[in-house]
Amino acid sequence: EVQLVESGGGLVQPGGSLSLSCAASGFTFSSHSMHWVRQAAGKGLEWVSYIRYSDSATYYADSVEGRFTISRDNAKNSLYLQMSSLRAEDTAVYYCAREARGVDWLIDYWGQGTLVTVSS
Amino acid sequence: QSVLTQPPSASGTPGQRVTISCSGSSSNIGSNVVNWYQQLPGTAPKLLIYSNNQRPSGLPNRFSGSKSGTSASLAISGLQSEDEADYYCAAWDASLNGYVFGTGTKVTVL
Repeated sequence: EVQLVESGGGLVQPGGSLSLSCAASGFTFSSHSMHWVRQAAGKGLEWVSYIRYSDSATYYADSVEGRFTISRDNAKNSLYLQMSSLRAEDTAVYYCAREARGVDWLIDYWGQGTLVTVSS
Repeated sequence: QSVLTQPPSASGTPGQRVTISCSGSSSNIGSNVVNWYQQLPGTAPKLLIYSNNQRPSGLPNRFSGSKSGTSASLAISGLQSEDEADYYCAAWDASLNGYVFGTGTKVTVL
């Protein structure tokens, strides 16, 4: 069974930093590209970032470019999101999500999410 | 602000057919496949339709997807109470170099 478990969320002050982790199990992590997607309370889904399984190439939404860094550790079956210069508008539930093997840009499994609150 | 536009709400009585539209542009829907996600209240999203009209194994055939030009649609036939959820379309956008989600549609079963 595919499992994605996020951790690291919490309360952080504006301008601060936070690091999220996602522990993956139930599939060959190294063979799948991965995403982070966020959702502010009562709002829609917003794609945040992507890391390719083959060469760790990365993509970012304009709203987080230069402030967030996605990375992965295949030996630990883990995905990370390092967030810095956080703003109030970054407050959201952050989901770790798996991309389907062999189908570009198809998210097929999601974690349950971790809440990040940026507030003073 | 999302580049994929959906109606904010849709509704129907049990057994009816409901259709949700998703309008985009040549850089996203017009040149890439569309996927649909269902988000039940308080839960993570779940893949519903992929590659415009394909259903993951185990998904009821009450759900169907289609695409034409720069628009896509999700249809739910034989509406059931458990279909009350938010529905999102999504596609790769070549201009933004990123994945974009629709604005979301809340389906209510009357």
